[in-house]
Amino acid sequence: EDQVTQSPEALRLQEGESSSLNCSYTVSGLRGLFWYRQDPGKGPEFLFTLYSAGEEKEKERLKATLTKKESFLHITAPKPEDSATYLCAVQPDFRATDSWGKLQFGAGTQVVVTP
Amino acid sequence: NAGVTQTPKFRILKIGQSMTLQCTQDMNHNYMYWYRQDPGMGLKLIYYSVGAGITDKGEVPNGYNVSRSTTEDFPLRLELAAPSQTSVYFCASSYSAGSGQETQYFGPGTRLLVL
Repeated sequence: EDQVTQSPEALRLQEGESSSLNCSYTVSGLRGLFWYRQDPGKGPEFLFTLYSAGEEKEKERLKATLTKKESFLHITAPKPEDSATYLCAVQPDFRATDSWGKLQFGAGTQVVVTP
Repeated sequence: NAGVTQTPKFRILKIGQSMTLQCTQDMNHNYMYWYRQDPGMGLKLIYYSVGAGITDKGEVPNGYNVSRSTTEDFPLRLELAAPSQTSVYFCASSYSAGSGQETQYFGPGTRLLVL
């Protein structure tokens, strides 16, 4: 069964204090791994898609990396506006399972950045 | 582009009442999805559609129904509301050329309270 586990559940950072969020996954063939940001009371906002081990993507203070078993979201010198819940989701390869078209989401990591 | 829009933003229902959650997208996406999000849990797929007239069950379809008569609209129907359906509901859409889905874009959500 496909599974996605995110850690830690919550993270409190001082402004400027870099850290990493983890997304561990078990899936029968990975087509893509997605990172989303979700602000309170809003819908998830797309950040990155990673397709193969070794791939990296960056956006401002965020950098996502991917291995065969996990993905990391690195937050460098965070600012208070980076406070949000970060969601990870995996898309199974439709050739390996019948999960075609279905994302499996983790529970998220809630990040709070204080000034 | 408005993206994905959802109405209403918030609703209180009594047990046994019915309602329809509306979802519209203006990105000409062929795939549309309904998820529910409960505290501390990942997003769970309720139903999805790969095009007008085609729908299929997700992970948690019981108690819900959908229809897709146009590319733009994908309403979610609750027939007999139960307290277990108290949740935040998100609609999403994506475009796929046939080899598998691409990035999903989410609406702002509908918060539903069943009492």
